[in-house]
Amino acid sequence: AQSVTQLGSHVSVSEGALVLLRCNYSSSVPPYLFWYVQYPNQGLQLLLKYTTGATLVKGINGFEAEFKKSETSFHLTKPSAHMSDAAEYFCAVSGNTNAGKSTFGDGTTLTVKP
Amino acid sequence: DSGVTQTPKHLITATGQRVTLRCSPRSGDLSVYWYQQSLDQGLQFLIQYYNGEERAKGNILERFSAQQFPDLHSELNLSSLELGDSALYFCASSVGKGINEQFFGPGTRLTVL
Repeated sequence: AQSVTQLGSHVSVSEGALVLLRCNYSSSVPPYLFWYVQYPNQGLQLLLKYTTGATLVKGINGFEAEFKKSETSFHLTKPSAHMSDAAEYFCAVSGNTNAGKSTFGDGTTLTVKP
Repeated sequence: DSGVTQTPKHLITATGQRVTLRCSPRSGDLSVYWYQQSLDQGLQFLIQYYNGEERAKGNILERFSAQQFPDLHSELNLSSLELGDSALYFCASSVGKGINEQFFGPGTRLTVL
């Protein structure tokens, strides 16, 4: 069984400020973790993923996330927010290596203020 | 553009009706996934097909069914529609059957009146 909790359904930051979106997971097997972004009226797009190896994962658009097993967390960060980062962000976990089923969090809407 | 296409973009129908949503995966992708996104339930995995065979099942209702055809396109059939079935339905595709990056289509917005 696996689950994902995204803390904070809405996060608001100023342009140029640090972005921190929180994700905690549970999985009965070693997890694969993903962050997706969804812009209005579009499908989801993969930002980054953790499978094995280096725990700090770099993705597109300047985002990165760190897998912390002891904290069962996979928080998404970006040093400096841009107006174009305004979107909904989903954390997902997959623990079954035999199928591609992923469990998604409820999403966090990021607002960037000028 | 992810390379995944979904038709139709919008669908409005009445309760009790049946609809079919269509998805064409990216060229070369063998897996197709279906998701339902609604305000109250969030993004829910419905079902995965790999090369024509059902691979994984999620929270898919018995009124819903899917299939993947030899040309790898997939259809999601929703029957005996209820108001609560109103949602965005996404299709995604990936190369393999296991843990792979999924490429999402733009979705079909279903409204049941």
